[in-house]
Amino acid sequence: GDSVTQMEGPVTLSEEAFLTINCTYTATGYPSLFWYVQYPGEGLQLLLKATKADDKGSNKGFEATYRKETTSFHLEKGSVQVSDSAVYFCALKFSQGAQKLVFGQGTRLTINP
Amino acid sequence: NAGVMQNPRHLVRRRGQEARLRCSPMKGHSHVYWYRQLPEEGLKFMVYLQKENIIDESGMPKERFSAEFPKEGPSILRIQQVVRGDSAAYFCASSGQNTEAFFGQGTRLTVV
Repeated sequence: GDSVTQMEGPVTLSEEAFLTINCTYTATGYPSLFWYVQYPGEGLQLLLKATKADDKGSNKGFEATYRKETTSFHLEKGSVQVSDSAVYFCALKFSQGAQKLVFGQGTRLTINP
Repeated sequence: NAGVMQNPRHLVRRRGQEARLRCSPMKGHSHVYWYRQLPEEGLKFMVYLQKENIIDESGMPKERFSAEFPKEGPSILRIQQVVRGDSAAYFCASSGQNTEAFFGQGTRLTVV
């Protein structure tokens, strides 16, 4: 079945470091891909998305490029801040209308000052 | 413009009791999705509902779990005769037709 695999956490970095969180997927067909962020005690917020191969999603300094050849959607940020500390989830969905998402297991990120 | 509202935020139940989790979708949204998040895991899809209809319940356990989204009022996820393994965070999301889903803050269920 369809699945998403994320880089194991937790990840701890210093402020201003470069961030990469790996995400690969297995799916029959060409899904839309998403990154969600969950701050402590809160629900998930959509961070960015890409709907087709070679699309790049970006938001708040984060970027991810939909790579069909490697079935990947790695999240990157050039200079992280303490406020980026959260759990990050990679996800996919197929249906045009329905928002039935398949999530990875999440990666906990901690940024130290 | 209130977002997706879930209540209660925290719920403690003894084994064998019933748990009722509520979700009020964003204004104008008629699609509701329930997800379960076990500790240190990602969210797992449970059920997708539109007003008065269950569209996809492929992620719902076959027993003890039910969901509804009546014409009036919030969507309800009901867990009967709870067991320790039901302890998790339950998230609701809502969307319009072909629009992005917005998530609520979740209900954290603890079964003691």
